[in-house]
Amino acid sequence: AQSVTQLDSHVSVSEGTPVLLRCNYSSSYSPSLFWYVQHPNKGLQLLLKYTSAATLVKGINGFEAEFKKSETSFHLTKPSAHMSDAAEYFCVVSDNPAGKSTFGDGTTLTVKP
Amino acid sequence: DTEVTQTPKHLVMGMTNKKSLKCEQHMGHRAMYWYKQKAKKPPELMFVYSYEKLSINESVPSRFSPECPNSSLLNLHLHALQPEDSALYLCASSQATRDSGGYTFGSGTRLTVV
Repeated sequence: AQSVTQLDSHVSVSEGTPVLLRCNYSSSYSPSLFWYVQHPNKGLQLLLKYTSAATLVKGINGFEAEFKKSETSFHLTKPSAHMSDAAEYFCVVSDNPAGKSTFGDGTTLTVKP
Repeated sequence: DTEVTQTPKHLVMGMTNKKSLKCEQHMGHRAMYWYKQKAKKPPELMFVYSYEKLSINESVPSRFSPECPNSSLLNLHLHALQPEDSALYLCASSQATRDSGGYTFGSGTRLTVV
């Protein structure tokens, strides 16, 4: 069985400051982990993915995530927030070959000027 | 072409209407998905097609009927919907259901049932 918990429903940062969005997961197997971003009234865009290669994963738009097996975490970070980063972020775990991924409840990121 | 295209972008339908949502991808992906997303919630899986065959139906009511005419197209036929079916309907694709590369999502169809 797989599950994912996004530890913060809302995160607010000032422009130019670091971003940390937290995600813990549970999986019976070696999972694949993903972060997606969704801007208002848009579809989801893949930011980055972990698939058992390097534990530090670099994604688009300056985002990174580190897979920590001992902590069952996959936190998303960015050194400096931009106004355009304001959006909903979903952490997703997949260890199911049938195509059933599990989404976290999402974290709303607000970026203040 | 690295996109999933969904049409229409917006749809308003009455409870007695029949309508269809369309989804198209030309990335050679062999797995396609329908998700339903309510406001401020994560997407919920509805159907999975693998190599044009329905592989997962998440106990979706029969008023939603999926169809996969070929490897590039996915339809969702709607009939006798209820107001609570109003939501954003997202189509996604991946190389295969075992693909660890992640999904490519379309921009969605915003459905309102009146």
